[in-house]
Amino acid sequence: ELKVEQNPLFLSMQEGKNYTIYCNYSTTSDRLYWYRQDPGKSLESLFVLLSNGAVKQEGRLMASLDTKARLSTLHITAAVHDLSATYFCAVDVTSGTYKYIFGTGTRLKVLA
Amino acid sequence: DSGVTQTPKHLITATGQRVTLRCSPRSGDLSVYWYQQSLDQGLQFLIQYYNGEERAKGNILERFSAQQFPDLHSELNLSSLELGDSALYFCASSVTGLAGGTDTQYFGPGTRLTVL
Repeated sequence: ELKVEQNPLFLSMQEGKNYTIYCNYSTTSDRLYWYRQDPGKSLESLFVLLSNGAVKQEGRLMASLDTKARLSTLHITAAVHDLSATYFCAVDVTSGTYKYIFGTGTRLKVLA
Repeated sequence: DSGVTQTPKHLITATGQRVTLRCSPRSGDLSVYWYQQSLDQGLQFLIQYYNGEERAKGNILERFSAQQFPDLHSELNLSSLELGDSALYFCASSVTGLAGGTDTQYFGPGTRLTVL
């Protein structure tokens, strides 16, 4: 069964600090997605990672994928208040019965 | 504004009823995806359509059905509603949504369904 776990579930950090959100998944997957959701708002696609060692960066966010460890990280550099949101990872598997499973989300609060 | 529209924004109905949620994708996008977000179940992928045909199916209940029309808008039909169906329903669109692709999905604002 495909399971996706994120940690931490909650993260409160000071502006200017660095931190990493982790996303572990239980079986081989095809793609790893990261999304952002602001409170009361819809989802926003951040990154799609395909291959082992893939790294993508957008502003203060950098996502990486280690398919051997079944682990993706979302690294936040020099956090700012505007990054406060809930971040979700998701994975999908296209072989056999299609599966697309989200993690539980990490609620990030950046304190000024 | 993502360019994806959903109607209605809010829907309140009673158990046992049937509702239809509508999604219009961004201009030029061929794929539409439906998601459900609830406190109990978290985020769940329901179903994807590509150019009118079902492409991938997730945790969609048998009481739910969807279709994508020739003009590419999509409808999600929810029937025999239960209290547990109360949730936010998002749709998203992307250019292709082909397996192995890396299309960015653009999300609509969602429809909040409350079943009383």
